[in-house]
Amino acid sequence: KAGVTQTPRYLIKTRGQQVTLSCSPISGHRSVSWYQQTPGQGLQFLFEYFSETQRNKGNFPGRFSGRQFSNSRSEMNVSTLELGDSALYLCASSLDGDSNQPQHFGDGTRLSIL
Amino acid sequence: GQNIDQPTEMTATEGAIVQINCTYQTSGFNGLFWYQQHAGEAPTFLSYNVLDGLEEKGRFSSFLSRSKGYSYLLLKELQMKDSASYLCAVRHTGGYNKLIFGAGTRLAVHP
Repeated sequence: KAGVTQTPRYLIKTRGQQVTLSCSPISGHRSVSWYQQTPGQGLQFLFEYFSETQRNKGNFPGRFSGRQFSNSRSEMNVSTLELGDSALYLCASSLDGDSNQPQHFGDGTRLSIL
Repeated sequence: GQNIDQPTEMTATEGAIVQINCTYQTSGFNGLFWYQQHAGEAPTFLSYNVLDGLEEKGRFSSFLSRSKGYSYLLLKELQMKDSASYLCAVRHTGGYNKLIFGAGTRLAVHP
């Protein structure tokens, strides 16, 4: 069974641009969550999608948004990029909302802002 | 709000046992996860506790005390490949898959 796939793996952008990251969950998984990982802040929750609906949101500005498609694939978008957005963006999928279902992470997209 | 504390770094010797502690304060609790993350790689799931007690899985065990807001991950028969960061994460009540992560404990295993 293929794992969580994130594309692209690496991305370089400049301030003010926008970016879209993609995540394909494990087959059959309906929940997709996004996290930002930086050396200073660690792993921080961005948002979670389930059945094409956002049902959880972290404490990030509105520049960070996402969506989920009917096949459970998800995208996140960051507009008006800032230097502080440089980070590893991780996507995680799980079967559904059951508490004992672990999230499985993709390898992430490393975003660098120049 | 929620606060999760873990030691920043630990060192241990190959073949030994190491215990990584995690304490948390939260207004609601619905389970605690441990993940392992090697440098440059994705976090991988190790264990899940929602009830008090010990969960054992091979060389790894995890313990939870909800009344004390405390968990630990126990790694036995340490191997060099166990050198990694270990992340403690709490799921909030009603938070579905929203996990709040600690900063992680970087474990170095020496020969």
